[in-house]
Amino acid sequence: GDSVTQMEGPVTLSEEAFLTINCTYTATGYPSLFWYVQYPGEGLQLLLKATKADDKGSNKGFEATYRKETTSFHLEKGSVQVSDSAVYFCALRSNDYKLSFGAGTTVTVRA
Amino acid sequence: DAGVTQSPTHLIKTRGQQVTLRCSPKSGHDTVSWYQQALGQGPQFIFQYYEEEERQRGNFPDRFSGHQFPNYSSELNVNALLLGDSALYLCASSLGYEAFFGQGTRLTVV
Repeated sequence: GDSVTQMEGPVTLSEEAFLTINCTYTATGYPSLFWYVQYPGEGLQLLLKATKADDKGSNKGFEATYRKETTSFHLEKGSVQVSDSAVYFCALRSNDYKLSFGAGTTVTVRA
Repeated sequence: DAGVTQSPTHLIKTRGQQVTLRCSPKSGHDTVSWYQQALGQGPQFIFQYYEEEERQRGNFPDRFSGHQFPNYSSELNVNALLLGDSALYLCASSLGYEAFFGQGTRLTVV
């Protein structure tokens, strides 16, 4: 079945540091890939998405590239802010209707 | 646009009881999905409703049931609650590709 494996946390960074969160997946067919963010006490918000190989999703300074050859969708941001502190989830949607999520990575950015 | 709204926000129930959670989808969205998020885990798919029918179901027991109304709002019912049912329950609505999530209902079973 479909599955997502993402880098374990927690991750603690200083402001303006570079952030990368690794995500790899197993899926049938050609899934669409997503990164969601969850701020404390809130639901999930879609951060970015990519629907086919080599697509790059980007939003709010975050980027991720759909790599079919390595089945990966790593999240990166060049300079993090305190406001980026949250839990980040990698997810995929394959040929069915559900989203399959990774376990989440908690990111804390210190001023 | 109010987005996806869920009620209640928090709930405490006793083992063996039954609970109903409610979800109003984003305006115009015809599809509602429910997810269970245990503490420190990623959301797990429970089921999805479309045109008032359950379209797909995840690996959850029959104690978990749902309903979608003609206005596309939805309910999640859980019978015979277990301590392990304690979690954040998320509703997501969609009209096509992108899913929009509500803030969730935090269910605590004691």
